[in-house]
Amino acid sequence: EAGVVQSPRYKIIEKKQPVAFWCNPISGHNTLYWYLQNLGQGPELLIRYENEEAVDDSQLPKDRFSAERLKGVDSTLKIQPAELGDSAVYLCASSLAVMGHSSGANVLTFGAGSRLTVL
Amino acid sequence: DAKTTQPPSMDCAEGRAANLPCNHSTISGNEYVYWYRQIHSQGPQYIIHGLKNNETNEMASLIITEDRKSSTLILPHATLRDTAVYYCIVRLGLELSFGAGTTVTVRA
Repeated sequence: EAGVVQSPRYKIIEKKQPVAFWCNPISGHNTLYWYLQNLGQGPELLIRYENEEAVDDSQLPKDRFSAERLKGVDSTLKIQPAELGDSAVYLCASSLAVMGHSSGANVLTFGAGSRLTVL
Repeated sequence: DAKTTQPPSMDCAEGRAANLPCNHSTISGNEYVYWYRQIHSQGPQYIIHGLKNNETNEMASLIITEDRKSSTLILPHATLRDTAVYYCIVRLGLELSFGAGTTVTVRA
């Protein structure tokens, strides 16, 4: 099993340029997450999808960030335009969760992340 | 979510057991305790989770106190490859909130 696959692994862009990250979750996982990790800190949730529906995007800066999960499988996270402060690692994770139930354990599998450097 | 408190760093000797503490005094009855670790330049990796009982798998053991206000992750025989940031997370439901974790350095 390939695990959660993310690309690109590294991206360097100039400020004001657009950038996109792609995530392929584990086959059969219905829940997908995007996290942001700044240097020296723990990951912070940006958005969570249940199938193709974004059910929690309260931490996503919607003025410049957007995400989609077409057909409830792969997902893309876009930043337009990028700012210097967006330099970070963007992590994707997936899990198999029982829909409509917030109780119970839920184990997330993370990808290796996409490291963005904005110059 | 219940807040967790972990020491910022700890060292351990290769081949010895590593005991990583976590305080979660405000945990509620149905919240799980999860442990993840993150090796440099990789994504977080799931280690173990538990609710009330102690748990063991091929990676580690999780000891939860009877009042559930604290827990300890035990790496039975630490190796150099166990050097990582270890996160203790308490959560009910589908999202995990990460703190700063404990930076564990295993020394030869």
